[in-house]
Amino acid sequence: KQEVTQIPAALSVPEGENLVLNCSFTDSAIYNLQWFRQDPGKGLTSLLLIQSSQREQTSGRLNASLDKSSGRSTLYIAASQPGDSATYLCAVWGIQGAQKLVFGQGTRLTINP
Amino acid sequence: NAGVTQTPKFQVLKTGQSMTLQCAQDMNHEYMSWYRQDPGMGLRLIHYSVGAGITDQGEVPNGYNVSRSTTEDFPLRLLSAAPSQTSVYFCASRLQGTEAFFGQGTRLTVV
Repeated sequence: KQEVTQIPAALSVPEGENLVLNCSFTDSAIYNLQWFRQDPGKGLTSLLLIQSSQREQTSGRLNASLDKSSGRSTLYIAASQPGDSATYLCAVWGIQGAQKLVFGQGTRLTINP
Repeated sequence: NAGVTQTPKFQVLKTGQSMTLQCAQDMNHEYMSWYRQDPGMGLRLIHYSVGAGITDQGEVPNGYNVSRSTTEDFPLRLLSAAPSQTSVYFCASRLQGTEAFFGQGTRLTVV
């Protein structure tokens, strides 16, 4: 059974810092991996999708990497801003049960002005 | 382009009542799914559909029914609400191999 773990559960950093959020998964047989952002009381906003054949994806100040062999993904946020404060969720689409998106518990990020 | 629309946004039910959570998407996505989000449990898959007329169970299907008569709509029915079904419910849709899009959620309280 696929399990997704995100460490740390919470992170607080001063504005302007570069930071890395971690995601690990137990079964490397995945179709792709998706990073989401969730603001309090809101839905999930898609940030980046990495296909299984890709190593990384970039969007603005965000860069996500994928290492299937080690079961890891990282989300790099450059020059953090208070508006980046949110919970960040990692999720994988498995090859077995391909319609089942398995989520990590998320990292709650706080950027202090 | 509205994306994924869920109604209602908030609902309070009494134990034993039934209701339907609505989900509609206007992106012609074949795959749709329902998740529930609970503190400490994360997001868990309830039911999903790979196209009109085709549905299947997810991780936590008990107490819920779904049907998919059109590509656009995927309603979730609570047959007899229980306090354990108090949660935030999210609907999602996608095309095969592409990113999933989520609705804004329905916050359900069962008393």
